[in-house]
Amino acid sequence: KAGVTQTPRYLIKTRGQQVTLSCSPISGHRSVSWYQQTPGQGLQFLFEYFSETQRNKGNFPGRFSGRQFSNSRSEMNVSTLELGDSALYLCASSYRLAGGTDTQYFGPGTRLTVL
Amino acid sequence: TQLLEQSPQFLSIQEGENLTVYCNSSSVFSSLQWYRQEPGEGPVLLVTVVTGGEVKKLKRLTFQFGDARKDSSLHITAAQPGDTGLYLCAGAFGNEKLTFGTGTRLTIIP
Repeated sequence: KAGVTQTPRYLIKTRGQQVTLSCSPISGHRSVSWYQQTPGQGLQFLFEYFSETQRNKGNFPGRFSGRQFSNSRSEMNVSTLELGDSALYLCASSYRLAGGTDTQYFGPGTRLTVL
Repeated sequence: TQLLEQSPQFLSIQEGENLTVYCNSSSVFSSLQWYRQEPGEGPVLLVTVVTGGEVKKLKRLTFQFGDARKDSSLHITAAQPGDTGLYLCAGAFGNEKLTFGTGTRLTIIP
């Protein structure tokens, strides 16, 4: 089975721009979660989508949004980028909701740098 | 907001030594997971524990879940350079959302 794929792997943007990141989950997985990882704050939960519906949301401003398509692929969008948005953005998929005992598989991440 | 504190934050030991890292919370977990993350990669699940007092072994790694399901430990025996990485615990608090710990960055010196 192919693993979770994320595109692009690296991205450089400037303040004020917007960015869209993509995640393709493992085939058959219906849950996709997004996380932001920074050296100072660690790994923080952004949101989770299950069967095209947002099921959980973390404490991030409205500039961070996401969606899931009928094939379970997911995108997240960050508008009006700020320097503090520089981070590794990780996507994870699982068959059921992430908070249960199902294994959550992570992609390699997208490294976003905001200049 | 539930917090998971991991200790120590950094640990550097010689190959062959034993070590233990901890994950603590003031809240009760419904389940807890341990991950290892290597540079340039996403975290990889090592184990999931769900029962208070549960002990699981994965080769040289031993995971223990506290009786009250508020804490967990990871013990590595005879550490090897391949064990180097960022170790993360993640707890679910019944609302189906995983909360990750602050992480322990482990370095094994050959």
